Formats: sequence, C-alpha cells, structure tokens
Amino acid sequence: DAGVIQSPRHEVTEMGQEVTLRCKPISGHDYLFWYRQTMMRGLELLIYFNNNVPIDDSGMPEDRFSAKMPNASFSTLKIQPSEPRDSAVYFCASSLALGYATNEKLFFGSGTQLSVL
Amino acid sequence: AQKITQTQPGMFVQEKEAVTLDCTYDTSDPSYGLFWYKQPSSGEMIFLIYQGSYDQQNATEGRYSLNFQKARKSANLVISASQLGDSAMYFCAMRDPLYNQGGKLIFGQGTELSVKP
Repeated sequence: DAGVIQSPRHEVTEMGQEVTLRCKPISGHDYLFWYRQTMMRGLELLIYFNNNVPIDDSGMPEDRFSAKMPNASFSTLKIQPSEPRDSAVYFCASSLALGYATNEKLFFGSGTQLSVL
Repeated sequence: AQKITQTQPGMFVQEKEAVTLDCTYDTSDPSYGLFWYKQPSSGEMIFLIYQGSYDQQNATEGRYSLNFQKARKSANLVISASQLGDSAMYFCAMRDPLYNQGGKLIFGQGTELSVKP
C-alpha cells in the first residue's frame, strides 16, 4: 500500500509568492493532519480534518495560511503571501477513525521542505 | 492544558548499550495514549511504540520498550542494544481524546540520539 504522499518534496520560493503544498492520504483514512516542523517550535499541528471537514484550525498561524480537503484523497495547504518565517518542513499525516480510540497512530508523509527567500 | 516534555535535547550512547529517553506529560484525563516516533536524518516520521493509559503492561516492540510510570506521568523510551542506525531524533507524543474531537497528537520537543561505534 502506498503511504501518505506529499508534493513537492522541496519548494524554494521568494517572499510574497503563493505556495501550495499537496497531500494524498492513505486510502480509507478518515483523518488528515497538517503539521509544521521548525527548530524553534518543534512539531506544531496546524489543522486537521475528519471526513474532509476541518475540525480544529486553531494552529493555523494567520490568515495567510489556508487548507482545504475537497475530497477524501486530496488536501492542500496554501500560504499566500509567503514570508521567510514560513520556512519549515510541512508534514501531512493521516489516520484511521479516532473517536475515543487513543491507540490509532498517525502515518506521516515524507514532508515538504519549504524555503522562502 | 495538555503538555509533553522531553528534557534531553541530545543524548549519546555507545553501540550495543541500552539508552533511556525521557518523556513526561501532563493531562487531567484518565484516558490517553502515548506514542514514540523516530525521525532519522532523512526526515520521515516513523512510529515506534504505543502505550495506553489503561494498559496493565509496559509496551514492548522488539528492541523498544516503554517504561510507563503513570503516577509520575512519565513514559520513557528504552532502546536496548543500540545500533548505529538508531541515531535519530526521537519524539514523544500524546493523544488526549477528551480535549478535542478525535484527539490530535501533541508532540514533545524531541531528543537527538547519537550512537557511537
């Protein structure tokens, strides 16, 4: 089975440009998560979806960030306009149904290394 | 509020020796799950081991075991017979379902383990 697929693997852009990160979760997984990893802040949850519906976007840093999940097999994280402080590794992860089942683990994609110059 | 703390930014261990990576957590919920992930230099996040708050036994997965001390709120990862390939960043994480729908995974800051030949 294919794992979580993220694209692009690396993205270099200039400040002010729009950036779109893409994610294909594992088929059959009901939950999709977007995390950001930086040296200073570690792994932060930005937003997560259940059955394509955003459940918690409290981690989205500001209005420049937006995420969508138009169907069960695709999600995007968009930054517009991008800033140098957005430089980070962005991970997408998916999971089976959670509810109160605490033992469901997250399967992570390989991440997108974003550099904003 | 939920919190995960890893107090060891970096650790060294000699090849073939055992090493313990510390993790403490804070939650008022009696039901929760604790996870450990490994992040090698290639960047992917690899699930290692899971411990549920109601599990009677400490979790084990091959060379990985979890020293779960519920009263002290600690969930330390023990790696036995360290190998060079164990050199990586290790993250402790917690899911606490009662605090949000489905239960997002909150990560500690990580411990960088270096295995010496």
